[in-house]
Amino acid sequence: NAGVTQTPKFQVLKTGQSMTLQCAQDMNHNSMYWYRQDPGMGLRLIYYSASEGTTDKGEVPNGYNVSRLNKREFSLRLESAAPSQTSVYFCASRKSLRGGGTDTQYFGPGTRLTVL
Amino acid sequence: AQSVTQLGSHVSVSEGALVLLRCNYSSSVPPYLFWYVQYPNQGLQLLLKYTTGATLVKGINGFEAEFKKSETSFHLTKPSAHMSDAAEYFCAVTLFSGGYNKLIFGAGTRLAVHP
Repeated sequence: NAGVTQTPKFQVLKTGQSMTLQCAQDMNHNSMYWYRQDPGMGLRLIYYSASEGTTDKGEVPNGYNVSRLNKREFSLRLESAAPSQTSVYFCASRKSLRGGGTDTQYFGPGTRLTVL
Repeated sequence: AQSVTQLGSHVSVSEGALVLLRCNYSSSVPPYLFWYVQYPNQGLQLLLKYTTGATLVKGINGFEAEFKKSETSFHLTKPSAHMSDAAEYFCAVTLFSGGYNKLIFGAGTRLAVHP
């Protein structure tokens, strides 16, 4: 099992450019997440998907869109990148968003994005 | 609402010394608590978690944490630090909202281990 994979690993954009970050998991998990990590702020949830066909906003959704393409894949799109979106982006998956919340969340290796 | 506070953004210890990373949580319901570790240029991986039952939880790489309800704490410890423990550590609590549960992370503590 590869677990959670993300592409690309690194990306440099100019202000106003668009791009899509890809994420896939092979653990047959129902729930998937996108986080951003900034120094001193921990991980902040951008969007999540409880199951195939559903998506919901997290803590910091402005400037982003997501697509749950199928059960395996969950992409994050920046329509018009801004310097404030310079960050490390992590995708994660979990067996289920419902229930008691004891499931382990598994993370991908991250995408390091710089917006100039 | 649930939240997590990690005391100390940077902790430095000598190799062989005790590691203590502090985490306090706020939760209106019995919490589920997690510690994750992030090695340089990698994603997060689970160290240990507390759900129910025994309050002293053992994890990977010799780490353990104790859930103390009266102190609303879930501090992470390791008796003897190793150079390979240098990493960033995140405490997290489960947030219950609208029928869903999500993880709320603390700001992280970066652990440095010196020879």
